[in-house]
Amino acid sequence: GAGVSQSPSNKVTEKGKDVELRCDPISGHTALYWYRQSLGQGLEFLIYFQGNSAPDKSGLPSDRFSAERTGGSVSTLTIQRTQQEDSAVYLCASSLQGNTEAFFGQGTRLTVV
Amino acid sequence: QQQVKQSPQSLIVQKGGISIINCAYENTAFDYFPWYQQFPGKGPALLIAIRPDVSEKKEGRFTISFNKSAKQFSLHIMDSQPGDSATYFCAAKGGNEKLTFGTGTRLTIIP
Repeated sequence: GAGVSQSPSNKVTEKGKDVELRCDPISGHTALYWYRQSLGQGLEFLIYFQGNSAPDKSGLPSDRFSAERTGGSVSTLTIQRTQQEDSAVYLCASSLQGNTEAFFGQGTRLTVV
Repeated sequence: QQQVKQSPQSLIVQKGGISIINCAYENTAFDYFPWYQQFPGKGPALLIAIRPDVSEKKEGRFTISFNKSAKQFSLHIMDSQPGDSATYFCAAKGGNEKLTFGTGTRLTIIP
């Protein structure tokens, strides 16, 4: 596609439910990032993929959070047993391998009620 | 450990003035320094980026100044306009490592 695509754009879920957030990176981009942004706050790093492997998953806040990437393309971020503090905008970005610009998607706004 | 420190947290500049946002980094392995602009409800968008082999890069009204010895870099917005009102993030990256972001600066341009 023309840009990084994230779905859904908005998600409201009940506390305790599991959610899956999807990211379609730009075709050919080998690097993929997930960040979390709370209202009016900065970008909190979650996990980074190079191809299908995740050399850095140090930002995942708890074992309720997991992510995978298949075929070097689509990535899914899964949050199990959601809590209210998980409410945030989840941003995905992709880039070509190496030090090149990262392009962000529009994000998924997650609200846990 | 915060590896990229950004200041100020918020900035108000009069239309036509110069907006200056500063960042400092710790990791000497960083060799790519982008700035992102974010409008409310949107994802961050790359504005301008620099590599440490140059001390300055200019694109239109936006300039990055880079001081390798001081491990500092800054964004200058000349002739600031109300449409520049947004949140700006500096970032740094080295090799195949993750992008590390500063905490952001909320810029408001007043008429």
